[in-house]
Formats: sequence, structure tokens, C-alpha cells
Amino acid sequence: SQQGEEDPQALSIQEGENATMNCSYKTSINNLQWYRQNSGRGLVHLILIRSNEREKHSGRLRVTLDTSKKSSSLLITASRAADTASYFCATDENQGGKLIFGQGTELSVKP
Amino acid sequence: GAGVSQSPSNKVTEKGKDVELRCDPISGHTALYWYRQSLGQGLEFLIYFQGNSAPDKSGLPSDRFSAERTGGSVSTLTIQRTQQEDSAVYLCASSYDRGLDQPQHFGDGTRLSIL
Repeated sequence: SQQGEEDPQALSIQEGENATMNCSYKTSINNLQWYRQNSGRGLVHLILIRSNEREKHSGRLRVTLDTSKKSSSLLITASRAADTASYFCATDENQGGKLIFGQGTELSVKP
Repeated sequence: GAGVSQSPSNKVTEKGKDVELRCDPISGHTALYWYRQSLGQGLEFLIYFQGNSAPDKSGLPSDRFSAERTGGSVSTLTIQRTQQEDSAVYLCASSYDRGLDQPQHFGDGTRLSIL
């Protein structure tokens, strides 16, 4: 079963612009993770934010978590054509058991 | 080092046949996960192993699906009497250990097509 929704389902921007993707979930979580998937490939882990954290940075990525609203956002700054991919949020409810994935946001960055 | 390896990368088979999908996790990773990705259902959890035991099989869709892991390493996912709705990409992931906020490392998947 899906944990929640991602918004938008698709996003098209120009190189250099920022991209923001949102994720909502339904249950209590241990952590929330963001993954990236290029067409025909597996998922690549980007960043993990624990339930007691509110914001985290990694390079051009910034993730926020609002547990009161059960939502998270992923911001990619200064986007590049190579950032074109699908991005998924995933929640870990049970400390390392299964991940529950959102439906994903398809990001297209035009050069 | 080597990542998670899955084989075959593509499998086409006739309805009713059995298929076996293989996953080689990253060496030293004790936790192993199977997921299924399809257009209609998105990414769905199937089963998770800690060592050779499977504490959570809750995602297996029917008793036609089974999985095993031997030697705490390689895992096989078996689908018996395949149906067209089994067509999907089957993804395997591993992590160093359950818990401790470990990320999961994914293989490129097996694309299964049932004719």
C-alpha cells in the first residue's frame, strides 16, 4: 500500500532553476528518505531525515520534515539537466523494516 | 565495491510458467528487501530478510509468490504459475543492518513480462 502522495506528479523546469517536490504520509514514522530513479535503473538513496529532525542539507539538496503535518519537501537548487529523473519519498515506520513509497515526482530539467 | 546485482535483467515468459529471480546483495549487508514496481501500483514492498529469516512477508500478493535467502547472502524470488498481472519490475535492495537509519541500496531490477 502507498504511504501517501507526492506533489506535483510531474515538474518541468529550466536549468538553473530550483525544483521543489512535496510528500505527504499517513502514519507515524521513524525516518523519511528520498530516492532518485533514472529511467530503467534502480533507486539511488539521496538523503534521510529522522523524525526528530526538521531540516537537512546535502550539497544542492535540502529536505524539510513537518511531523505535525505529516509532510516533507525536497528542494533541489540550481538544477542541472542531469537531475532529470523520478524522485520518490519513502517512510520507515519500524526502524529498518520495509519502506513505504510515495507515487513519485517526475522531474524534467531542460538545458 | 560492487552494488546489488539482479538477474536476469529482463525475463519474458508465458502465462502459467514458473520464474525465478535472483538477487546478490552488497557483501556484508544483513538485510535484504524485495519490492515490485508497476505503472498501476507504484513501488510495493514484497518481503524482507534479516539474515536468512523473513520477519515480514506481508507484501507477498499471493501464495504463488515465495522467496528464500541462503547463507545470509543470495536471495531468490519465485513466482509460480505466472499471471499477466505479475508483469512488473522486481527490485531488490540491501542495507548494512536493520535499524540505525540505514539507507537501502537498490539493484537495477528484473523487468518481468508475462505473455
